[in-house]
Amino acid sequence: SQQGEEDPQALSIQEGENATMNCSYKTSINNLQWYRQNSGRGLVHLILIRSNEREKHSGRLRVTLDTSKKSSSLLITASRAADTASYPCAYGGGSQGNLIFGKGTKLSVKP
Amino acid sequence: DGGITQSPKYLFRKEGQNVTLSCEQNLNHDAMYWYRQDPGQGLRLIYYSQIVNDFQKGDIAEGYSVSREKKESFPLTVTSAQKNPTAFYLCASSQWAGASDTQYFGPGTRLTVL
Repeated sequence: SQQGEEDPQALSIQEGENATMNCSYKTSINNLQWYRQNSGRGLVHLILIRSNEREKHSGRLRVTLDTSKKSSSLLITASRAADTASYPCAYGGGSQGNLIFGKGTKLSVKP
Repeated sequence: DGGITQSPKYLFRKEGQNVTLSCEQNLNHDAMYWYRQDPGQGLRLIYYSQIVNDFQKGDIAEGYSVSREKKESFPLTVTSAQKNPTAFYLCASSQWAGASDTQYFGPGTRLTVL
């Protein structure tokens, strides 16, 4: 399977703490994207990092990409209860270059 | 309000019935996609369309059919040939028909076979 792998599968933290989740992939990529999915809802795009970038910031989000290790990490700083969701990564590599989505890290932020 | 709408939110199907899931977008996007999500799993691509009147099979197209007669609309039919249709179905669109473009998702339709 070309599906990406997120690590850890589940993460439980207190409000105010930082959350770090990782994504590994198996193919060459143009970019890697992170999404958020609340339970029973659609996905929301968070951030995209291109293959020639190593780090990118957006608000409380920081994404890194290491193409030599075929891995990416997503850091959410100063987490809030509203950040509770699943966070799948996605990258091109499927048929016709379509996105392949991982299962996601399930983040629980306790107030 | 720009975005993607899916209807219905919940759908129940009897064995042997075909059902059609609606997906509409007003983002003026060229490409549209249908995914299936099973509990604890990542999204799997069913069909995608890069342009009106054209569509391609994804990784799990068997038992499904689509049409793309208008740029805004990409309905998915789950046929009786789909042996295990109970799942969460997500529609998405992207601006360009190129690879790896950011996708925008609808709220999903949960299909249950009775």
